[in-house]
Amino acid sequence: KQEVTQIPAALSVPEGENLVLNCSFTDSAIYNLQWFRQDPGKGLTSLLLIQSSQREQTSGRLNASLDKSSGRSTLYIAASQPGDSATYLCAASMTTDSWGKLQFGAGTQVVVTP
Amino acid sequence: DGGITQSPKYLFRKEGQNVTLSCEQNLNHDAMYWYRQDPGQGLRLIYYSQIVNDFQKGDIAEGYSVSREKKESFPLTVTSAQKNPTAFYLCASSTSGGNNEQFFGPGTRLTVL
Repeated sequence: KQEVTQIPAALSVPEGENLVLNCSFTDSAIYNLQWFRQDPGKGLTSLLLIQSSQREQTSGRLNASLDKSSGRSTLYIAASQPGDSATYLCAASMTTDSWGKLQFGAGTQVVVTP
Repeated sequence: DGGITQSPKYLFRKEGQNVTLSCEQNLNHDAMYWYRQDPGQGLRLIYYSQIVNDFQKGDIAEGYSVSREKKESFPLTVTSAQKNPTAFYLCASSTSGGNNEQFFGPGTRLTVL
């Protein structure tokens, strides 16, 4: 069974510092990996989706990498801002699940201090 | 605006009651999903549907039921058989074929009194 882990569970950085968020998975037979942002009491906002054939995906200040062989994905947020404070979740879908079931990590709660 | 709506935002249930959570999408997506989120945990899949009039159990389906009579609607009923229903419930949808980007609604917080 796929296990998705996000460490650390919480992270605090000063404004302007680059953020590095980690996501590990145990089964390399993933179809894609998706990163989400969740604000307190809100739903999830999709940030980036990386297909298994891709090594990275970029959107503005966000860059996500994927290394299937080591079972890792990393989300980089450049020049962090207080508005980046949120919980970030990663989720993997498996090649064995044709209908797109996502296996979620527990998330990393990020606080960016002014 | 295209998106997913969930209602109500907050819901309170007494012991022994069934309650229904609404999920509607106007993204023309074939697939829809229900997840449960507990504090400090990742999302867990309750039910999913790939097409109208068809749905499948997820990892934690016991005590829940769903229907998919229309493409845009996927209501979730939390029955009295669900022993610990207090949680945050999230609905999502995606294009057909699986393994496509999932989009989420704003969620419903259910509390048992």
